[in-house]
Amino acid sequence: SQQGEEDPQALSIQEGENATMNCSYKTSINNLQWYRQNSGRGLVHLILIRSNEREKHSGRLRVTLDTSKKSSSLLITASRAADTASYFCASATDSWGKLQFGAGTQVVVTP
Amino acid sequence: GAGVSQSPRYKVAKRGQDVALRCDPISGHVSLFWYQQALGQGPEFLTYFQNEAQLDKSGLPSDRFFAERPEGSVSTLKIQRTQQEDSAVYLCASSTDPTQETQYFGPGTRLLVL
Repeated sequence: SQQGEEDPQALSIQEGENATMNCSYKTSINNLQWYRQNSGRGLVHLILIRSNEREKHSGRLRVTLDTSKKSSSLLITASRAADTASYFCASATDSWGKLQFGAGTQVVVTP
Repeated sequence: GAGVSQSPRYKVAKRGQDVALRCDPISGHVSLFWYQQALGQGPEFLTYFQNEAQLDKSGLPSDRFFAERPEGSVSTLKIQRTQQEDSAVYLCASSTDPTQETQYFGPGTRLLVL
């Protein structure tokens, strides 16, 4: 079973707009990570936020974490057509680093 | 160096056949994970190796699934007597060691069971 849910399931925006997606999880975490997956490809790690952090930035990406609500959000600013992909949140809950993924948000950015 | 590689990239099997999926992790990576990704879903954890030791196999869906990593590098995921519900993409990921949270994923093997 999946650890979390993502919202929205799909998002269609135009180049230059911002894209925001949300993730909720069920159990206490060590960290939460966001991955991108292009069609037919493996997952690419985007950003990691630890349970004691509230916000993190990496380039055009901004991630927030609210452990009291067991939720996280990923914001992609000034989106580009190349950002078209599926985005997954994944929570790490044990010492091995095993990841529990959400169902993903499919983002389409049109030129 | 090279990233995580997996072979074959695509596999079509008749129901009841056995299949073997290979993962070559990044050289020197201690941790290796297998995940199963059904169409339109996020990956689900199958099993974890630390070097050659299989420390967690809680995600393997049945005793038809078996994984090994005998020399602590290459890993094989074997599925016996495949069923249609086994159709999915099987992803392998590795990381330098358990303290490093970032996992590097291979391209996956897409398995179709007819």
